[in-house]
Amino acid sequence: AQRVTQPEKLLSVFKGAPVELKCNYSYSGSPELFWYVQYSRQRLQLLLRHISRESIKGFTADLNKGETSFHLKKPFAQEEDSAMYYCALSGPSAQKLVFGQGTRLTINP
Amino acid sequence: ETGVTQSPTHLIKTRGQQVTLRCSSQSGHNTVSWYQQALGQGPQFIFQYYREEENGRGNFPPRFSGLQFPNYSSELNVNALELDDSALYLCASSYPGTKGETQYFGPGTRLLVL
Repeated sequence: AQRVTQPEKLLSVFKGAPVELKCNYSYSGSPELFWYVQYSRQRLQLLLRHISRESIKGFTADLNKGETSFHLKKPFAQEEDSAMYYCALSGPSAQKLVFGQGTRLTINP
Repeated sequence: ETGVTQSPTHLIKTRGQQVTLRCSSQSGHNTVSWYQQALGQGPQFIFQYYREEENGRGNFPPRFSGLQFPNYSSELNVNALELDDSALYLCASSYPGTKGETQYFGPGTRLLVL
């Protein structure tokens, strides 16, 4: 079964502190992993995907196939990072995205 | 480049009624996916359409149906509405062909079933 688990519904950190949003997945095969973000009053949008191996807005995520994890990290949080973050996976055919429940990140000044 | 648009933004229906939600894909995209997002949950895949044909379906009953038109706009129809159908309905468009294709989401239609 395909499943994405985000263990933290809420995460609160202070500005300038490191941030790590956890994501674990269950998939038999080689999935594509994504992080989507939804800022206040905006639509859901792609933040980054593992296949691109890029850093967006200071965020990075490494796919760990052994631990089946795709945690999102940023060394120094900024107030504008406050948002809802969703981890998602898709299979080779890319027919659908399977989302986790999401983590609401709040950056305190 | 025009983004994904959805209509209406909000809708209130009563149990047993039927509803049609509409989605206009981003320019150049020929694939549209529909998701249901219940309060406090992540989006759940309903189905996907590619070049007017259904191209995958999630765990939703047949009363959830869809259409895609030649201009790649799309409709989601839900018959015999139930209270649990109250949710935010998202459509997302994409252009397949590469691994890890990006899906571009619309703002959603919030449906309330009373």
